[in-house]
Amino acid sequence: EVQLLESGGGLVQPGGSLRLSCAASGFTFSNYGVSWVRQAPGKGLEWVSTIGRDGDTYYTDSVKGRFSISRDKSKNTLYLQLNSLRAEDTAVYSCARRGREGGSPKYYFDFWGQGTLVTVSS
Amino acid sequence: QTVVTQESSFSVSPGGTVTLTCGLTSGSVSTSYYPSWYQQTPGQAPRTLIYSTNSRSSGVPDRFSGSILGNKAALTITGAQTDDESDYYCVLYMGSGISMFGGGTKVTVL
Repeated sequence: EVQLLESGGGLVQPGGSLRLSCAASGFTFSNYGVSWVRQAPGKGLEWVSTIGRDGDTYYTDSVKGRFSISRDKSKNTLYLQLNSLRAEDTAVYSCARRGREGGSPKYYFDFWGQGTLVTVSS
Repeated sequence: QTVVTQESSFSVSPGGTVTLTCGLTSGSVSTSYYPSWYQQTPGQAPRTLIYSTNSRSSGVPDRFSGSILGNKAALTITGAQTDDESDYYCVLYMGSGISMFGGGTKVTVL
C-alpha cells in the first residue's frame, strides 16, 4: 500500500525557516517523481515544487529562491526546506507522488499524503 | 501570466449530469496538457479521479469521465450521487516540470 506521511510543520515567525519531511512507503521511491502541493486555509490547491526521478527540480514562481526540494533515496524521504517565510506561505503542505504508466510519466498526482500545517505569524 | 480557469460552483440534482470545465486564460487546452482531475472533501486529502484527459484512476466509478470539449478539458459526472458533493480541481501540465491547478469548482448535489 502506497503511503506518504508528512511531518515538520508548525508555527514560525515571518522570515523564519522550516524543513518539512515526507516519508514514503509501499513503492520504489527512486522510480517516481514526487511533489509538494499546498492549500492555504479556505483556499484552493497550489502546486509548489517537484523533484524528478533524476533529481531535476522545479518550483512555482512565488517560492523560487526561498524553498528547496530534495530527496534521500536511502531513507525513502522527500524534503522541502522553507526559508524566508511569509504570511502568505501559511498552508497545509502535502506531498504527492507523480503518476507513471507503462514506464512513462503522466504528469499527474496519483497518491497523496494528509499534509502538515505551516503557520507563518508573529 | 496564464491562469487555469474553472467554474466557481455548480449545482446538480441527484441522478443528474454535470460537466465541469478547465480552461486557460490564454490558449486552448489539449491532450498535450495531460489534464487531470481531483475530488476533495473538507479536511481530506484529494482523491485522484482522471488523468491524461480521460483515464480513470483505479477504483473511480465510471460515472466520472474526462474529455476535451472545445478548447477546454472537461469532467462529467453522470448520475450524480450525494457523495459527489465536493470540491473538484483540475491540473494542467504546462511543460518544463510545471503544473498548475485551477481554482476549483464546488459541486452541490441537491
